[in-house]
Amino acid sequence: AQSVTQPDIHITVSEGASLELRCNYSYGATPYLFWYVQSPGQGLQLLLKYFSGDTLVQGIKGFEAEFKRSQSSFNLRKPSVHWSDAAEYFCAVGADFGNEKLTFGTGTRLTIIP
Amino acid sequence: GAVVSQHPSRVICKSGTSVKIECRSLDFQATTMFWYRQFPKQSLMLMATSNEGSKATYEQGVEKDKFLINHASLTLSTLTVTSAHPEDSSFYICSAVWGGNSNQPQHFGDGTRLSIL
Repeated sequence: AQSVTQPDIHITVSEGASLELRCNYSYGATPYLFWYVQSPGQGLQLLLKYFSGDTLVQGIKGFEAEFKRSQSSFNLRKPSVHWSDAAEYFCAVGADFGNEKLTFGTGTRLTIIP
Repeated sequence: GAVVSQHPSRVICKSGTSVKIECRSLDFQATTMFWYRQFPKQSLMLMATSNEGSKATYEQGVEKDKFLINHASLTLSTLTVTSAHPEDSSFYICSAVWGGNSNQPQHFGDGTRLSIL
């Protein structure tokens, strides 16, 4: 069975500082990997996705993620966070880009301090 | 970009009533829609997968007679919570996929906050 682990429940970062959110997955085949962001009371917005090719994936809002097969990880990074980045971040794994169900991690809540 | 509209955004109703939530893909045809449930400060749990013109596939532990899903057209899927009770209170989110291109990710609605009194 597929699973996703986000070890950090809550992270606090100063505005302008760098950010890394961790994600580890368990999947029997080559995974499709996603990062989504959720603002309070709203749905999910796709930040980036990965299946094959360059293991460093660029997304929207200045985010990037690196796929490391040997570590079963897909960590999300941003060089310099903005106050508007405060939100809940979810890593997800699936068997396809869209037509198969996604398994989500438990999420990491990001707080930005001035 | 692909837009998914979910309505209503919030509903409060008495115990025992039925509540219908709509999920619409506004600018693309969604052959597949997914319904998720999210408890406070928790992750999304898939409830069911809805394919246009066929019966929904429910995840283990989800009562199909409790959560009725209809996907009658390529742009609309509905979730009806029948005889709702306080334990059904939750945040329900739908997503839709454009079946014409397998490289398309799921696009999510803004969710529906359901509160049963």
